[in-house]
Amino acid sequence: DTGVSQNPRHKITKRGQNVTFRCDPISEHNRLYWYRQTLGQGPEFLTYFQNEAQLEKSRLLSDRFSAERPKGSFSTLEIQRTEQGDSAMYLCASSRWFWPVGRIDTEAFFGQGTRLTVV
Amino acid sequence: SQQGEEDPQALSIQEGENATMNCSYKTSINNLQWYRQNSGRGLVHLILIRSNEREKHSGRLRVTLDTSKKSSSLLITASRAADTASYFCATDRGQGGSEKLVFGKGMKLTVNP
Repeated sequence: DTGVSQNPRHKITKRGQNVTFRCDPISEHNRLYWYRQTLGQGPEFLTYFQNEAQLEKSRLLSDRFSAERPKGSFSTLEIQRTEQGDSAMYLCASSRWFWPVGRIDTEAFFGQGTRLTVV
Repeated sequence: SQQGEEDPQALSIQEGENATMNCSYKTSINNLQWYRQNSGRGLVHLILIRSNEREKHSGRLRVTLDTSKKSSSLLITASRAADTASYFCATDRGQGGSEKLVFGKGMKLTVNP
């Protein structure tokens, strides 16, 4: 178990440029989540996937943001035409979701995050 | 919008003392989870308590949940300098599993050696 891996760890970009982040979840996890965290705040939900299907998107995810998980394994988060307000830590997490009889609660495991600075 | 609210927002204690953090939330939940975050790093899962549980222990951690008051507390006993971090509560209102966790703003704990 190598944990959730995010790349790059840091990204500095000029306003207006496009950026793409990658997340590799824990291999047997079928759910993958993206969160954004600004300084002094808790993480805010952006979107999540179950396998390759994107099941929910937050209103925070403007048209400039797009996330994919093409084969149900790794995921990418792209931000087009970056703005200074996009500067934040982008966190990825994964968990395992079952369809048993009854309900199982499982924790989400987070990566180290990608810190984006838009100058 | 953020669901949880940790209290206090910052706490400074001496090594060996106990630290108690409180979390209040607004809506019904399936479970509540506590995470720790060291400065500039990712979140580390500490403990999960289900809505039908009232208390849970894990090592030096003790979590309580009062769904009637929509509140939870995290107690860290015999604190160590390595416990210095920000602590977040997060609520899960989904059908199960960590679906759309909603985090509070966090509480910064400083343990002085």
